[in-house]
Amino acid sequence: DQQVKQNSPSLSVQEGRISILNCDYTNSMFDYFLWYKKYPAEGPTFLISISSIKDKNEDGRFTVFLNKSAKHLSLHIVPSQPGDSAVYFCAATGSSNTGKLIFGQGTTLQVKP
Amino acid sequence: NAGVTQTPKFQVLKTGQSMTLQCAQDMNHEYMSWYRQDPGMGLRLIHYSVGAGITDQGEVPNGYNVSRSTTEDFPLRLLSAAPSQTSVYFCASSYSPTGARNTIYFGEGSWLTVV
Repeated sequence: DQQVKQNSPSLSVQEGRISILNCDYTNSMFDYFLWYKKYPAEGPTFLISISSIKDKNEDGRFTVFLNKSAKHLSLHIVPSQPGDSAVYFCAATGSSNTGKLIFGQGTTLQVKP
Repeated sequence: NAGVTQTPKFQVLKTGQSMTLQCAQDMNHEYMSWYRQDPGMGLRLIHYSVGAGITDQGEVPNGYNVSRSTTEDFPLRLLSAAPSQTSVYFCASSYSPTGARNTIYFGEGSWLTVV
């Protein structure tokens, strides 16, 4: 049972436009959500996170929105740049103090110049 | 990737062989974990540790063994390698699982092929 789902395997956008990556979750015990970015042959790197007590968190060009009632979060990248081309993973964790992350399948973003 | 070191980076094993993937971090993080990444599956948790001497199973623990004798090291042992264990393995560590410091740092990955 996939508790965290990224239903779009890939996304292609033009440089300068907005990229929107989506993520759905099923476990209502999740209270902290993270986005990771991964380049080929490298480990994932932390991008941005959001606690369930918030509905929006912004960091430069990256904004994460959380809709708890819909169990949905999204990552907005504005404006998109070619260097943003990577695989983006959504992840979730609960308050069980174990540092465990449940990941989605990932979305490959391609930003075309 | 801040302070999480994995070795080896590449390894080819024969079915039935055993080996250990090494992971070390120098950030004094309490929490360490191992994930595997397979196509279309995202990253799945194998084993994790909340401190020296404490380990527990993740989503896909079968065929793997771990121990945590020090805060710095968290090796992953493959007891009898199988082709289904062909994957990319990531070690991760974090200071705290909650709040603003819930940032988990990943190593660069270990590519394992079992033939």
